[in-house]
Amino acid sequence: QVQLVESGGGVVQPGRSLRLSCAASGFTFSNYAVHWVRQAPGKGLEWAAAISYDGTNKYYANSVEDRFTISRDNSKNTLYLQMNSLRAEDTALYYCARGVGSYSHFDYWGQGTLVTVSS
Amino acid sequence: SYELTQPLSVSVALGQTASIACGGNNIGSKNVHWYQQKPDQAPVLVIYRDTNRPSGIPERFSGSNSGNTATLTISRAQPGDEADYYCQVWDSFTYVFGTGTKVTVL
Repeated sequence: QVQLVESGGGVVQPGRSLRLSCAASGFTFSNYAVHWVRQAPGKGLEWAAAISYDGTNKYYANSVEDRFTISRDNSKNTLYLQMNSLRAEDTALYYCARGVGSYSHFDYWGQGTLVTVSS
Repeated sequence: SYELTQPLSVSVALGQTASIACGGNNIGSKNVHWYQQKPDQAPVLVIYRDTNRPSGIPERFSGSNSGNTATLTISRAQPGDEADYYCQVWDSFTYVFGTGTKVTVL
């Protein structure tokens, strides 16, 4: 069965960096685009970043562009999110999600990893 | 930027029908997807491309989309349908989520 398992969350001071990982299994990882979607405590869902199946194309929400970098290692079936210059408003549960087709929807989600930005 | 507006909450009597609206400019020209999120759980896809149900989603869940409003309908509401529901579209290389609707089954 499809599984997405996020890791790497934690408490970090404003301005510092953190790298999240998402380990995929149960499907051919290299055939799918994958995304990071975040959810601040008590708030709604916010798409953060996406990467195409081969890593060629990357897309970012305005709120994270120039600070976050999405990448993937298809040989390790793993997705990454490098987060720099973290701000308090980046505090959220970060989900990894599998994309369907081009510019469509998300059919499987991980359980999320919590990032807290606080001094 | 494109915005999707949903009612904050919807209440439905057990066994009755709930309708959740998702408003957006000319949303009828876009593909709309719906997610269910129960407390402390990850979102689950319940409707994709306006009207399609993934395998395992009950037929009680249906969707429509026209003009400036897309709608998720839950028929014969059950206690297990209590959750937050989010609509989602793709617009200008951005994936946009609605503001979310909390559904309560009375």
